[in-house]
This record gives sequence, structure tokens and C-alpha cells, in this order.
Amino acid sequence: EAEVAQSPRYKITEKSQAVAFWCDPISGHATLYWYRQILGQGPELLVQFQDESVVDDSQLPKDRFSAERLKGVDSTLKIQPAELGDSAMYLCASSLSTDTQYFGPGTRLTVL
Amino acid sequence: GNSVTQMEGPVTLSEEAFLTINCTYTATGYPSLFWYVQYPGEGLQLLLKATKADDKGSNKGFEATYRKETTSFHLEKGSVQVSDSAVYFCAPDYGQNFVFGPGTRLSVLP
Repeated sequence: EAEVAQSPRYKITEKSQAVAFWCDPISGHATLYWYRQILGQGPELLVQFQDESVVDDSQLPKDRFSAERLKGVDSTLKIQPAELGDSAMYLCASSLSTDTQYFGPGTRLTVL
Repeated sequence: GNSVTQMEGPVTLSEEAFLTINCTYTATGYPSLFWYVQYPGEGLQLLLKATKADDKGSNKGFEATYRKETTSFHLEKGSVQVSDSAVYFCAPDYGQNFVFGPGTRLSVLP
């Protein structure tokens, strides 16, 4: 069964450093989502892509976060500089349309 | 704005007990309704879904019925197992916008 791939699975960094996360959605899925999940809470949408275009980035802290999906397939989420409050699980999901979302295993970020 | 309210956890049950996790959503539009499950250290997995009123989603012994009149989508299972221990998220899909509840942690004791 096809899966959403994410890497790395774990990332430890110091504050003020730059970090990047990668996501490869299920083949053929046009819609890609990045979520942030703080421990003990539900996922919060950061950015949504339809192919290579951003559909919704209203909750993305644009002073330090950026996301791209240049060829409409895989995607990268970057944080620069990282802050202590960015420690969380970063989840990527994909879907064929706006129906069922399929999630990757996530990247757990710890900022020291 | 759109929102979802879930039963607060943690919920601790003995094996073979009956499970109910309540979920209610705001009645803006006509969302599809989803339950996702998250096992420790993993991403979210789709558990079940329903797309219209009175639909019943079911999977792995879990069930939930789309109740438009009460704007609810309560999750139930007749006999839980230790392997059901996880965090459960209710998530209405308002078209372009999934809204996740805070999650309910379930612990099943042998």
C-alpha cells in the first residue's frame, strides 16, 4: 500500500539554527498538507498545496517558516531560525482531492 | 469559525469494556466527518469516515454515525482490546479545511 514518506523522523537542533523537513506524498495525490502537532494537542494546519500552488498558508508563521513544492510532487518545510517553541511533531499528509487525508509518520523536532 | 469538541481524556478502560468517545462539530455547511487514530510515536491513520447524514462509518470494530440533528459523530466500540490504546481524533472536513479536535487518549488495561 502506498504511503506518505517523511524525513528525517527525528531532528534535534539548537535555537537560531535552520532546519528542513521533507515529504513525499502518495503518487498522484495533488493536495499536500503540512501540520504542526504540539504534544497533547491535535494537528494544526500550517500550509496546504494544490499541485505546486499554495492554497492556504494563513497559519504559517511566515517570518521564520517557508514551504515549497516546486514540481508539484515532494515538498520541503523550512524553519529559520528555529525557536524553542517550535518543538513539535511536523506531519505531512496528502489527498487526491479534499477527501481523505493520508498521513506520514511525522518528524519530531526538538529545539534546545 | 469552524470547530470541533471532543470528550476530554484520558479514558482508561479494562479489556472488553464498551467504549464511547463523544464528538460534536459546528454546523457550518455540511462537512464530511472523520475519526483518525494515532498510535505512540506514529502519524495519524484514518479509522473511519461518514460523508452524509445517517451514514455509519465502521472499521476494526469501531463505529460512528453522522447525526446531523445533534451535530455529533460519537465513536463507539463494543469490546476494546489492549491494542486499541492510542489517541483518537475527531475531524470534520469543511471542504478545503480539516479541523482536528484535541484528541482523546485511550488506555486499555489487560
